[in-house]
Amino acid sequence: RKEVEQDPGPFNVPEGATVAFNCTYSNSASQSFFWYRQDCRKEPKLLMSVYSSGNEDGRFTAQLNRASQYISLLIRDSKLSDSATYLCVVNMKNTGFQKLVFGTGTRLLVSP
Amino acid sequence: NAGVTQTPKFQVLKTGQSMTLQCAQDMNHEYMSWYRQDPGMGLRLIHYSVGAGITDQGEVPNGYNVSRSTTEDFPLRLLSAAPSQTSVYFCASSYSYAGQLNTEAFFGQGTRLTVV
Repeated sequence: RKEVEQDPGPFNVPEGATVAFNCTYSNSASQSFFWYRQDCRKEPKLLMSVYSSGNEDGRFTAQLNRASQYISLLIRDSKLSDSATYLCVVNMKNTGFQKLVFGTGTRLLVSP
Repeated sequence: NAGVTQTPKFQVLKTGQSMTLQCAQDMNHEYMSWYRQDPGMGLRLIHYSVGAGITDQGEVPNGYNVSRSTTEDFPLRLLSAAPSQTSVYFCASSYSYAGQLNTEAFFGQGTRLTVV
């Protein structure tokens, strides 16, 4: 089983739609969770951290469910500029030191 | 602000050649890491470092060496390039405190490596 799993998509949605992505992680001791955005042929950039109480940043809402070991990202009122790959990232510690583990990413395509 | 600087941006190697990918950060981050990204595979951790003199293996370390002699630099060495190492390589750095990684990872712009 992969340490962090995401549906690769693509998710094809029209402008204005609401879309949600889920991500599951294997290590129940994981403490930090993030969503990153990656545009084609560019480096990943932090979209938002995910807190236990959930958090919202404009049209983006992130939720954490520790009991089921998944995190989610909700995008409301999708824009063309939201088209990108969204990476789920989990801070894990198996042996040794903590490390950031990335999911394979979910590709979003927003069409006019 | 420079952030994380990776060089080169593009490289073509012949099978068996060696080379070093450079990574430098100016944010005084203790934690640095190298990833490779292949289609459908996401970012896979190659090696990482929690401070000068301390490195550890990630998910796919074979064929790569690292060292961390300074806080700023974390080079990745390909010992004998193979076509399977054709990929996009990203270096990243993060602030860490007492071994905790709870903050943003900053990435370099990537190195596109082709091994023929």
